[in-house]
Parts: sequence; structure tokens; C-alpha cells
Amino acid sequence: DGGITQSPKYLFRKEGQNVTLSCEQNLNHDAMYWYRQDPGQGLRLIYYSQIVNDFQKGDIAEGYSVSREKKESFPLTVTSAQKNPTAFYLCASSIVGPPYGYTFGSGTRLTVV
Amino acid sequence: KQEVTQIPAALSVPEGENLVLNCSFTDSAIYNLQWFRQDPGKGLTSLLLIQSSQREQTSGRLNASLDKSSGRSTLYIAASQPGDSATYLCAVPRYGGSQGNLIFGKGTKLSVKP
Repeated sequence: DGGITQSPKYLFRKEGQNVTLSCEQNLNHDAMYWYRQDPGQGLRLIYYSQIVNDFQKGDIAEGYSVSREKKESFPLTVTSAQKNPTAFYLCASSIVGPPYGYTFGSGTRLTVV
Repeated sequence: KQEVTQIPAALSVPEGENLVLNCSFTDSAIYNLQWFRQDPGKGLTSLLLIQSSQREQTSGRLNASLDKSSGRSTLYIAASQPGDSATYLCAVPRYGGSQGNLIFGKGTKLSVKP
């Protein structure tokens, strides 16, 4: 079955540590996205990519980094520069072009300890 | 700047009721609008996608309508069931239609009581 796999489901980060969240899709979608979800804040866009080896910053990119070396993969690194990383992180993918229907992964919950 | 608002933020109804969830957006030049469902601690599941040329879309007990001129969409759920309890989010393309970068509302948390 086609879909998006996010791992791990739960992740704990110590102060000053970088951590990487995995996102893999087998839907043959060109576009991939990372969103952050906080209670009461809705989904906010971190980074997105519409083609391999190219990506753009979203609304809250500071303290995060991404890479897009393969069409299927779009990992997100939460760096030590992100001062408040505790949140639920969601990865999504879509075709490039209308109708832009999104498919989401099941999410990674990151907690700072 | 496109903004998406959903009212109410939370809704509690008895089982069997028909209900309407509302979504409004500030820039009517959208290509489509998408409704999602999110269960606690889970990702988003796409429910319905309405193209700008369409007025409504139906899937089972769900019916979504779109009125671009007034900047509104509604999600109608018929004969609600406890299994419908979840948060429902609507989303539109950030720049109308030039790319798929979506802007989301904050969602309506629905609770259906047995």
C-alpha cells in the first residue's frame, strides 16, 4: 500500500542536541512538506520541497534544517538553535500541480527532556 | 495574506444529530479547499477536496460545500456517530493556486455523545 511513513513515533531530545525526524513516501509524489502542530496553534509550515535537491523555508524555519537527496525521503533535523522544539511534527506529500491533495504521515511527537 | 478561520472551535452533540462545521478564508482566489480529520495523537486523513469549479462534494455521510465569492465552506455530517469524534480541519492553497503549499484553520473539535 502506498503511503507516508514517519519515524520514530516518539522522540526525546536533551538540551543542546540535534535530532532527525524521518519521512519516507512511496506515492511517487514530487512535493513534500513538514508542519509543526502545537495545541491551539494549528499547523505551521516549517519547510517544503517540490523537487529533489531543492527546498524552501516555510513560516517557522528557524532552528530547523532539511535535505531532499531522494524523491522518497525528506528528513527534518531539529537543531539546538530551536529553543522550543516540543511539539507534534507532521510530514505530508502531494503531486506538484492541481489538485494538490495532501497525504499525511502519522506524526512524530518530540519532547525535550 | 490568506487566513483560514474555523468556527466553532469545539462542538458537542448527541448521537444521531446532523451537524455543520464552518470554514472561512480571506482570499477568495483559491484553486480548491480540502477538509481533513485528525484523531488524537494521529496524522491527518483527507476527507474531501473541492475544486474551485465545484460547489460541493459528497462522501458517504459527509457533504462539503464551497462558496468562493463569500469565502466560506461548510462540512455537513449526517446522522452523527461516536466514531465521528475527532478534530476537523480545512485548508486552502496559500497562494491561490500557483503551488500546493496549504494554509490550515485551527480546526473544530467534535465530540459525539452516545
